Amino acid sequence: AAGVIQSPRHLIKEKRETATLKCYPIPRHDTVYWYQQGPGQDPQFLISFYEKMQSDKGSIPDRFSAQQFSDYHSELNMSSLELGDSALYFCASSESGRMQNEQFFGPGTRLTVL
Amino acid sequence: ELKVEQNPLFLSMQEGKNYTIYCNYSTTSDRLYWYRQDPGKSLESLFVLLSNGAVKQEGRLMASLDTKARLSTLHITAAVHDLSATYFCAVRGYDPSGTYKYIFGTGTRLKVLA
Repeated sequence: AAGVIQSPRHLIKEKRETATLKCYPIPRHDTVYWYQQGPGQDPQFLISFYEKMQSDKGSIPDRFSAQQFSDYHSELNMSSLELGDSALYFCASSESGRMQNEQFFGPGTRLTVL
Repeated sequence: ELKVEQNPLFLSMQEGKNYTIYCNYSTTSDRLYWYRQDPGKSLESLFVLLSNGAVKQEGRLMASLDTKARLSTLHITAAVHDLSATYFCAVRGYDPSGTYKYIFGTGTRLKVLA
């Protein structure tokens, strides 16, 4: 079965650089979620989109922005990167109205900021 | 403030034994999730619970929800080594900032000893 695809899987950036993470949801899934997980920490919810509109908002820094496109894929744009942004970034997707909005997670993008 | 507390944080148990992980949350929520995470891996959805009294079972794991007590439990029956992982609960709750957000518990690191 098709799963959530994230790219790149690994990314190394310098401080103050920018990064773009991409997420391709499972086919027919219309909702995308972004999470950040630091080493040894629980996942922190950043933001979610339903039908290309922002739906819920969590602890997303002002330096970050995200959007969902017409094909339902989503991108997380991160600017002025800081050392503390080093983390695993997960994208998840769900199909509204089905399976109680069960979220299916992608493999994650490991971002390292030097 | 939205808070989700899990206990215990660490759990070491013998194969064949039963145990329960507890998840308390501080605000009304319209859904509660349980996830499993293996080291360095993504999150795997285990259960989504929506209503008071909901009980779901999959293999050796059973989850329940008491919305009045704002408590969910994940019960492990006759543990086997393959269940060793970190288990997270998460809720979707309303934040005073005017949006919904997903809050994770701190996780329970389970180690099943042969």
